[in-house]
Amino acid sequence: GAVVSQHPSRVICKSGTSVKIECRSLDFQATTMFWYRQFPKQSLMLMATSNEGSKATYEQGVEKDKFLINHASLTLSTLTVTSAHPEDSSFYICSARDFRNPGTSIDEQFFGPGTRLTVL
Amino acid sequence: AQSVTQPDIHITVSEGASLELRCNYSYGATPYLFWYVQSPGQGLQLLLKYFSGDTLVQGIKGFEAEFKRSQSSFNLRKPSVHWSDAAEYFCAVGARWDDYKLSFGAGTTVTVRA
Repeated sequence: GAVVSQHPSRVICKSGTSVKIECRSLDFQATTMFWYRQFPKQSLMLMATSNEGSKATYEQGVEKDKFLINHASLTLSTLTVTSAHPEDSSFYICSARDFRNPGTSIDEQFFGPGTRLTVL
Repeated sequence: AQSVTQPDIHITVSEGASLELRCNYSYGATPYLFWYVQSPGQGLQLLLKYFSGDTLVQGIKGFEAEFKRSQSSFNLRKPSVHWSDAAEYFCAVGARWDDYKLSFGAGTTVTVRA
């Protein structure tokens, strides 16, 4: 159980276009999803926290107009990279957890396999 | 500000040898501490965690970690490494008062030689 999927796993796009990445919780309801960015040989950096039915909370330095996050249902959150540029090329990872579930502890944050974005 | 340091970028060990990965943190209070493993094409998998209590915690795949408050460390160990342990390992910290957000270290790549 507790599987999180991401689609696509890899995407290549031209500079100036927008790309949408989906994050799905397959067998549980995710009231909260987190989006991370990972550069090669570097750590995961939290970009934003997405709560179902409300606006995402972005970390300092993350452009909310560039990285649009939507969490319209309990099983799906999307990250749209708008007007992508080569510097947006990175590995994007989502994680999900269900804060409503009694007894859920902090460790129940399940990670997706990631999406490799390459902007030409 | 909170930070997590993994001093070793890359470690190579022989199969069957012991492994220790270092993690140091800087945080406002004792945080929740985690070790994750990331294999190519797969999501992060939780190896073990520390919230409170016994400072030596056991995890999956034969890993253990020891919390040392005086050293602000949470080092990961495995007595005998298997070839399948080759992966990227991340130490992470989080806290209830910080909305459970996780801060990750830069990661340590483990290579296992036959």
